[in-house]
Amino acid sequence: KQEVTQIPAALSVPEGENLVLNCSFTDSAIYNLQWFRQDPGKGLTSLLLIQSSQREQTSGRLNASLDKSSGRSTLYIAASQPGDSATYLCAVRGANNLFFGTGTRLTVIP
Amino acid sequence: NAGVTQTPKFQVLKTGQSMTLQCAQDMNHNSMYWYRQDPGMGLRLIYYSASEGTTDKGEVPNGYNVSRLNKREFSLRLESAAPSQTSVYFCASSRDRATDTQYFGPGTRLTVL
Repeated sequence: KQEVTQIPAALSVPEGENLVLNCSFTDSAIYNLQWFRQDPGKGLTSLLLIQSSQREQTSGRLNASLDKSSGRSTLYIAASQPGDSATYLCAVRGANNLFFGTGTRLTVIP
Repeated sequence: NAGVTQTPKFQVLKTGQSMTLQCAQDMNHNSMYWYRQDPGMGLRLIYYSASEGTTDKGEVPNGYNVSRLNKREFSLRLESAAPSQTSVYFCASSRDRATDTQYFGPGTRLTVL
């Protein structure tokens, strides 16, 4: 069964800092990998989706990379802002399921 | 364009009671999903419907049933609620099952006493 791990569980950074969130997975046979944002008490918002054939995707200040062979993905956030404070979840798409990590709770301090 | 909507937002049940969680999407998506989110466990797939007229079990289907009423609506039913089903339930949809982004509803917070 696919296991998805996100480390660290929580991260605090000062405003303006660049940061990297990590996601690792145990089975490299994936269709794609998604990064989501979840605000407290809310649903998930999709940030980026990387297909298995791709190496990275960019959207604004966000850049996600995928290394299938090593079972790793990173989400890079440039010039962090207080509004980026949320929990960030990664999810890998296997044959039948989308498997989620438990997330990294990010706090950006003004 | 409301995206994915879920009702109710909150619900408290007593053990043994039944209820149905409703989900609807207005994006003309083929696939729909029900997840539960528990602290420290991440989201886990309960059931999914790859297309109208089909439903399949996910990772944690026991104690639940689903109905894909039409292309827009996908409901989740708890026949006899148990305290272990206390959770936040999310519905999601996507254009197709394999490659597309999933869009999530706001969630239903369910407490079973």
